[in-house]
Amino acid sequence: KAGVTQTPRYLIKTRGQQVTLSCSPISGHRSVSWYQQTPGQGLQFLFEYFSETQRNKGNFPGRFSGRQFSNSRSEMNVSTLELGDSALYLCASSHGRQVNTEAFFGQGTRLTVV
Amino acid sequence: DQQVKQNSPSLSVQEGRISILNCDYTNSMFDYFLWYKKYPAEGPTFLISISSIKDKNEDGRFTVFLNKSAKHLSLHIVPSQPGDSAVYFCAAYSGGGADGLTFGKGTHLIIQP
Repeated sequence: KAGVTQTPRYLIKTRGQQVTLSCSPISGHRSVSWYQQTPGQGLQFLFEYFSETQRNKGNFPGRFSGRQFSNSRSEMNVSTLELGDSALYLCASSHGRQVNTEAFFGQGTRLTVV
Repeated sequence: DQQVKQNSPSLSVQEGRISILNCDYTNSMFDYFLWYKKYPAEGPTFLISISSIKDKNEDGRFTVFLNKSAKHLSLHIVPSQPGDSAVYFCAAYSGGGADGLTFGKGTHLIIQP
């Protein structure tokens, strides 16, 4: 069974640009959550999608958005990039609405904003 | 305001000894706690969890203890092995996890040969 796949693995963008990250969950999983990991703040919850609907959103500005497709694949978009957006972005998939022991993480996308 | 705190950024333990990683939380609504392990260049991997109705959960070499009155949990690894060297994250959620997991900043465990 394939794991959670995130693409691309590494990305370099300049300030002001926008970026789209992709996450393919484990087959059969309908929930996808996104997290940002930085050295100073650790892992922080961005948002979670279930059946193409955003269930909840963490404390991030509106420049961070996402969506989920009918096949459960999810994309995360960050517009007007700032230097502080440089981070490892992780997605996690699980079967249902609950983030539980069955949440599996991808390897992440390392975004560097210059 | 950090709701889950791991106050030790790093911990060094000799191989074969016990590793104890600590985690404190402030949100009394948390009802489920998890530990994740993370190697460089990989996503976090689930290790062990505990519900707030329990005070101990054991899985092989890993045991998690929960002290609700102190809002404290700990992960014990016995015996520690070189492959245990990684960053360990404590995480928690409430109400089914609709708000996602709240993570601590992690503790880097180094197992010395």
